[in-house]
Amino acid sequence: DAGVIQSPRHEVTEMGQEVTLRCKPISGHNSLFWYRQTMMRGLELLIYFNNNVPIDDSGMPEDRFSAKMPNASFSTLKIQPSEPRDSAVYFCASSLAGLAGSGETQYFGPGTRLLVL
Amino acid sequence: AQTVTQSQPEMSVQEAETVTLSCTYDTSENNYYLFWYKQPPSRQMILVIRQEAYKQQNATENRFSVNFQKAAKSFSLKISDSQLGDTAMYFCAFTGSGTYKYIFGTGTRLKVLA
Repeated sequence: DAGVIQSPRHEVTEMGQEVTLRCKPISGHNSLFWYRQTMMRGLELLIYFNNNVPIDDSGMPEDRFSAKMPNASFSTLKIQPSEPRDSAVYFCASSLAGLAGSGETQYFGPGTRLLVL
Repeated sequence: AQTVTQSQPEMSVQEAETVTLSCTYDTSENNYYLFWYKQPPSRQMILVIRQEAYKQQNATENRFSVNFQKAAKSFSLKISDSQLGDTAMYFCAFTGSGTYKYIFGTGTRLKVLA
């Protein structure tokens, strides 16, 4: 299995630009998670999809962030406009979790390191 | 509220030696799941080991094993025969039986010395 695939691996952009991060979950997994990791705040859950439907977006920092999952094999996280404080590593993870979850393992992608200048 | 605490920000161990990373958690649930993830310099989060709270037997994966003490709410990770490739940040994580959310600890940075 290829594992969770994320692109790009690195992104450097200027403040005000639009940034789009991409994720392909493990085939057959029905749950997808977007996380952000910073030194100050650790790992934060941004949004959770189950069967392509956003279930919990309470972690999305503000309206500049949006996420979509148009099908079972693709998701995007978009930041528009980007700001320097958005600089972080963004992870996508997938699992076989049901809506309520029952301890299924989350498998993480390699992450996207975003630097906003 | 459920919490996960890793009290050792940094540790080091000599190659081939054994090291134990500690993790404590707080929950009122009886059934839950615990994980150790490894994050090497490449930043990839890699599952090391998973433990189900209702199983009394400690989980093991090759050189990695856990000491799960349910009453003490402790979940330590033992790495035997440490290798240079074990150098990484290690995160302990908790999830309850009725939620998809993981609660992560702040991590322990482990350095294996040659």
